[in-house]
Amino acid sequence: DVVMTQSPLSLPVTLGQPASISCRSSQSLLNTDGNTYLSWFQQRPGQSPRRLIYKVSKRDSGVPDRFSGSGSGTDFTLKVSRVEAEDVGVYYCMQGAHWPPITFGQGTRLEIK
Amino acid sequence: EVQLVESGGGLVQPGGSLRLSCVASGFTFSDFEMNWIRQAPGKGLEWVSYISGDESTIYYADSVEGRFSVSRDNARNSLFLQMTALRAEDMGVYYCAVSWGYWGQGILVTVSS
Repeated sequence: DVVMTQSPLSLPVTLGQPASISCRSSQSLLNTDGNTYLSWFQQRPGQSPRRLIYKVSKRDSGVPDRFSGSGSGTDFTLKVSRVEAEDVGVYYCMQGAHWPPITFGQGTRLEIK
Repeated sequence: EVQLVESGGGLVQPGGSLRLSCVASGFTFSDFEMNWIRQAPGKGLEWVSYISGDESTIYYADSVEGRFSVSRDNARNSLFLQMTALRAEDMGVYYCAVSWGYWGQGILVTVSS
């Protein structure tokens, strides 16, 4: 199984400041079809998860452009250019390149400092 | 508008059974693969099961293989998860999701004597 490791697990950020979350996979997420299947999800308190990013860097509809994804192979990053209060929650990376099983990172809790 | 509504959760004793349902609307249900994902209290996301649009391909996480069974009724836009031999570690919120872009609100399963 592909192990997804996120860091940090807790991320206190001042409003308006940038934030960055790292996700590393135990093997390359480059699929034989040429796509890299790494997604990012946001789970606000008391809500269902919501996908923000798929295929490393493609933003879902309605996702603010302050969210961006980057990376390749086994190293990926989710960046928030300027954190807003509504960004509080837990962020998960997920791989869909080598499955089953689909695997998630442990989650990174973003809070306002 | 895509909507996914789970039902069927509740309190069950260890060793018991439950059948979860997920009713979909706002898209052509039969065209899309579906997943079940769960979240133990205060924990991260765990993929549970996958079913293709035509039910030809089904996968399970090792933790539920042989105890859970996924199915769908495309005529009724419905997805199901039959859970048997339930254990304390199966407790949590269960979500259905369509192609990872849309998730239901989740349904709570409590396993306790």
